[in-house]
Amino acid sequence: GAGVSQSPRYKVAKRGQDVALRCDPISGHVSLFWYQQALGQGPEFLTYFQNEAQLDKSGLPSDRFFAERPEGSVSTLKIQRTQQEDSAVYLCASSPLTSGGADTQYFGPGTRLTVL
Amino acid sequence: DQQVKQNSPSLSVQEGRISILNCDYTNSMFDYFLWYKKYPAEGPTFLISISSIKDKNEDGRFTVFLNKSAKHLSLHIVPSQPGDSAVYFCAHRWASDKLIFGTGTRLQVFP
Repeated sequence: GAGVSQSPRYKVAKRGQDVALRCDPISGHVSLFWYQQALGQGPEFLTYFQNEAQLDKSGLPSDRFFAERPEGSVSTLKIQRTQQEDSAVYLCASSPLTSGGADTQYFGPGTRLTVL
Repeated sequence: DQQVKQNSPSLSVQEGRISILNCDYTNSMFDYFLWYKKYPAEGPTFLISISSIKDKNEDGRFTVFLNKSAKHLSLHIVPSQPGDSAVYFCAHRWASDKLIFGTGTRLQVFP
């Protein structure tokens, strides 16, 4: 079946622009995660949804970052007034179960954001 | 404070030999450790996991060992194949399901 898809795959923004990154999780998956991966680093947690509820946003680096999942399926990560330090690959992952299970997270290919 | 550490940024192994990738952790609170494999321009792909109550889990050519007293885990790949060449991340998971990743080890398997 179809995996997690993300769009766009590549985004170049001028400093100060707003960007919106989209994630289409695997159909029926309850949980959805966003991670940020800087060059040479491992993915770092940003935020977590269970259906439409945002249960953890402790990883969002500033109030310029905002995520939503209004209908419990597609999610959008929005970054306002982008800065050069926002340049990274943004990964989305989904999983079928809620917390407590041994389920794994299935990752999309990521969106590479470059802020000039 | 980095909770999961992969101290070897790269590893080179001959085809057919064993690859051993290591991971150290500081936080004793976790449910699972997981290993993910990542090819360039793709997202990480789940490989194998181990729960906190076990010390070994095996799946085909892949075995993960957990040493809780040393706060250390390792992934063994035997025999190594050229298609195993990728970046490997260990990650731990607890509480809200979020994963805490290490910085990764790039494995190269040469003929």
